[in-house]
Amino acid sequence: AQRVTQPEKLLSVFKGAPVELKCNYSYSGSPELFWYVQYSRQRLQLLLRHISRESIKGFTADLNKGETSFHLKKPFAQEEDSAMYYCALSGTGANSKLTFGKGITLSVRP
Amino acid sequence: DAGVTQSPTHLIKTRGQQVTLRCSPKSGHDTVSWYQQALGQGPQFIFQYYEEEERQRGNFPDRFSGHQFPNYSSELNVNALLLGDSALYLCASSLLGGTYEQYFGPGTRLTVT
Repeated sequence: AQRVTQPEKLLSVFKGAPVELKCNYSYSGSPELFWYVQYSRQRLQLLLRHISRESIKGFTADLNKGETSFHLKKPFAQEEDSAMYYCALSGTGANSKLTFGKGITLSVRP
Repeated sequence: DAGVTQSPTHLIKTRGQQVTLRCSPKSGHDTVSWYQQALGQGPQFIFQYYEEEERQRGNFPDRFSGHQFPNYSSELNVNALLLGDSALYLCASSLLGGTYEQYFGPGTRLTVT
């Protein structure tokens, strides 16, 4: 079974503080891991995926297969980062459905 | 390209009724997936359609059914509505065999009274 766990519901930080949004997963095989973001009154959109190894809007995420984690990090939070963040997992090939975590609200205070 | 579009935006139905939600995929995409998002939860996979056939299905009862048309648009049908079916229904499109990135629509908010 595939499962994604986001242990925290809310993270509140001040502008300029580091951010780490935690994500752990369970999957028998080699999954694809994603972070999706939903800004206020906008649709869910892809922030980054582990396979691309990109840094998007200053965010990075490293896949740790030993710890089955895919934590999202940003060294200096900005107010515009305030949003709902979802970690998601997909299989490959015939199993391309996304399994989401419950999400975490990031609030960046001025 | 308007991206993924869904209709209607909001819908109110009574228990026991039936509902149909519609989705048009992003231009160039051939695969449509449907998700249910209850309040305070992450989206939960319902099913996926490709070449007008159901390709994968999540843990949802048979009351939930779908269809994909030759132009790749899709419908989600829910019969015998329950109060617990109240949720945001999201449609996502992707390109089979592509990078698996799914593009989401704005959703349809269904309220069952």
